[in-house]
Amino acid sequence: QSALTQPASVSGSPGQSITISCTGTSSDVGSYNLVSWYQQHPGKAPKLIIYDGSKRPSGVSNRFSGSKSGNTASLTISGLQAEDEADYHCCSYAGSSTVVFGGGTKLTVL
Amino acid sequence: EVQVVESGGGLVQPGGSLRLSCAASGFTFSSYWMSWVRQAPGKGLEWVANIKHDADEKYYVDSVKGRFTISRDNAKNSLSLQMNSLRAEDTAVYYCARLMGYSKFDYWGPGTLVTVSS
Repeated sequence: QSALTQPASVSGSPGQSITISCTGTSSDVGSYNLVSWYQQHPGKAPKLIIYDGSKRPSGVSNRFSGSKSGNTASLTISGLQAEDEADYHCCSYAGSSTVVFGGGTKLTVL
Repeated sequence: EVQVVESGGGLVQPGGSLRLSCAASGFTFSSYWMSWVRQAPGKGLEWVANIKHDADEKYYVDSVKGRFTISRDNAKNSLSLQMNSLRAEDTAVYYCARLMGYSKFDYWGPGTLVTVSS
């Protein structure tokens, strides 16, 4: 049950695209296409933005997209906007009805 | 409208106990798995426990096994987390979340803060 690895911070300018990586192992990210991503603004609860690797819940902008390669999942945000500045957390199914989260990534919009 | 709201947080001494509750509304509570997720100050999210819709199966992160117990009352649309032998490292905001599928937490409460300190 080791945490997934995310970069502590990433930054980008309005209109640009950024990608946040989420590295796990062959026991979690690598074994299942069951990664989810959450956006969290300061003092607020997390909000689901991607599930099952690349699916978006209703109402989530198509500027958010997810993908996976091997043991690493990625979240890409295109056309960065000021409101995207937040913390982003990845989560993967890890077998036996357990999940594991990443350490979170702080996105700064310059 | 789906809502989950936690309560019961507070200040407790190391070794003490606390019981968190989560009131759910706006959906058929008895049909869904539910979870507790916590976030220590300035840190990332950490999954704590899952409970199946009929309470037949319960799962915990290793660090709380034997100390925390997740339970639910489907008649009252309520989820609980009994926390015993609390440690300083249990200090966190605790979130109640609905679990759809294997790793899809689609609704979260606002959280309740638990502080373990003497």
